[in-house]
Amino acid sequence: QLQLQESGPGLVKPSETLSLTCTVSGGSISSNNYYWGWIRQPPGKGLEWIGSLYYSGSTFYNASLKARVTISVDASKNQFSLKLSSVTAADTAVYYCARRGGSGRSFDYWGQGTLVTVSS
Amino acid sequence: DIQMTQSPSSVSASVGDRVTITCQASQGISSWLAWYQQKPGKAPKLLIYSASSLQSGVPSRFSGSGSGTDFTLTISSLQPEDIATYYCQQANSFPVTFGPGTKVDIK
Repeated sequence: QLQLQESGPGLVKPSETLSLTCTVSGGSISSNNYYWGWIRQPPGKGLEWIGSLYYSGSTFYNASLKARVTISVDASKNQFSLKLSSVTAADTAVYYCARRGGSGRSFDYWGQGTLVTVSS
Repeated sequence: DIQMTQSPSSVSASVGDRVTITCQASQGISSWLAWYQQKPGKAPKLLIYSASSLQSGVPSRFSGSGSGTDFTLTISSLQPEDIATYYCQQANSFPVTFGPGTKVDIK
């Protein structure tokens, strides 16, 4: 059974960089036809896609965040990562990692999510 | 970017009622649409993919239909455990976009 687990600091100061890692177990991040992505959800609000990555390294980003976002992969550790720079309180959210593909390009496996609060 | 809208934003129904949620895309997305259920404090769960395919393990009271720009999620007989927020998502192209959500509760 595929499992995804987010990890990283739960508190980040304004103007600093938010860094999260998603560890994939029960399957290979290098499998064909899958994209790996980050989605976030501010408290009490809806889902916002941040970006997705193919194991080969090709990436797609939300245009509204593109200038601040980097998603990368470490296939040797079966992990992919999110970096979001120059954060503000508006970036406070639960951050989810998820697998896209396999079932109609939908996100079929999700991590449990991790709350990141931006505050001094 | 493809914009997704949902209606209603919330619905209150009795146990056993049929509940219908609609989702509209700002341009045609063929059948590249997914539906998710999210309960408080939990990650979204995939219910339906490719507009009408039921994800493994999802109860058969959930069904999806539609193609092009207009889609529907139906719960044939609402159960207490179906209390959640439901999101549609277009899977046609990047950037991925979600609908704003529909909150379902028991009357």
